[in-house]
Parts: sequence; C-alpha cells; structure tokens
Amino acid sequence: DIVLTQSPATLSLSPGERATLSCRASQNIAFYLAWYQQKPGQAPRLLIFDASKRASGIPGRFSGSGSGTDFTLTISSLEPEDFAVYFCQQRSGWPLTFGGGTKVEIK
Amino acid sequence: QVQLVQSGAEVKKPGASVRVSCKTSGYTFTDYYIHWMRRAPGQGLEWMGWINPKSGAIKYAQKFEGRVTMTRDTSITTAYMELSSLASDDTAVYYCARDRGNDIWSGYFDYWGQGPLVTVSS
Repeated sequence: DIVLTQSPATLSLSPGERATLSCRASQNIAFYLAWYQQKPGQAPRLLIFDASKRASGIPGRFSGSGSGTDFTLTISSLEPEDFAVYFCQQRSGWPLTFGGGTKVEIK
Repeated sequence: QVQLVQSGAEVKKPGASVRVSCKTSGYTFTDYYIHWMRRAPGQGLEWMGWINPKSGAIKYAQKFEGRVTMTRDTSITTAYMELSSLASDDTAVYYCARDRGNDIWSGYFDYWGQGPLVTVSS
C-alpha cells in the first residue's frame, strides 16, 4: 500500500498567517493527490485534486503543489473558518489511501 | 443540491453484520461512482471500495474482500454497504462519498454523507 505521511501533525497559527502543510508519499504517485478539509462533526470537503487543481467553490487562498512523492497545501492567509483538520489522499495505486492529517489550530 | 444522506448509528454484536445505506439526490445517480470509507476512533480514513451505480461493477480493497458487499438500487438512488463478521476493531464512522468524475472514475470524492457510527460491542 502507498503510505502518505503528513507533517506537521499540528500547526498553531494566527488568523492572517500563511499555512504550509506537507504530504509525502512512500512511492511515486505522479500528480494523483487530493487534499480535504474536515471540521468536527462534518463530512470532509474536497479542496484540491490532481495536486494543484482547486475544486469547485474553493477560495483562491487554497493552493496545492508538488508531484512524485512530495506535496504541499498552502493557505495563503488563514481565515477563522480555516481552522480544521486537513488530510491528503492518493488515487495512484490500490488501495486508495489517506494521510493521517494535520490539525491547523488557532495559536 | 447534491446530497448523500446515510442511515443512522448502529450497535452490533461481534460476529453480526451491518448494512449502511446512502440515499443520494440532486444529481443523476448512475453517472457517478460511489465510494465507501471508514474512520476508526483515533485512526485515519480507510478506503473500502467503490460501486459503479450504472453497471453495478464493484472494486473492494483487498483487506475487506470476502466480508464487504456493495450494492445499489437505482430506482431509489441509494447505495448500500454491508460488512459481515464484525469485530470490535470494525467500530468506526462509515462514510459514503461520490466520485467527482462525471461518467468516469476519478478516485477523488466531492460529496460525502454524514457518516454514521457503527459500534461493535458485546
């Protein structure tokens, strides 16, 4: 199975700051990576797919980059509603797998 | 608007089976694959498999082969996931999610159900 390792586990930042989240794959997955946001008690929300394409309705402050084994999700300026858990997911190989998540919390 | 509404929380005894439903609305049911995932307490998300509502074709994660069955009823735009031989480590929130590909598999999930908790306990 392809293992996705996210870092850091927790990111403590203030509103308005830039958030940089990392996802590393255990083998080359080309650009077949997505990012999701999940808040307590809610279903996940697709933010980014194919490493860098924003999903419908996602604000421009969210951007994704990377290919191969190293990927980054950047939130350019944190809004209060962005404090949540973020996780990555690959569709390059079976089974589809997810990272363990990064919690972005208010500092 | 697109909605996936799942059945409610369940409590099951070890060895039993559970069936979770996923009622969809707001789009053409047969145009989008449905995936099933779960999240055990304190764990990450785990993909279980998908079903193509148009053809009924399925693909299961090897871990669940022989224990999971995914079906659909196109007349009521509902997908189902049944997991048998339950054990305590099957306690988890079970999600259905729509594949974002229109009439094509993409492997990404754009709409999710609310995810009922299935508790396995004697």
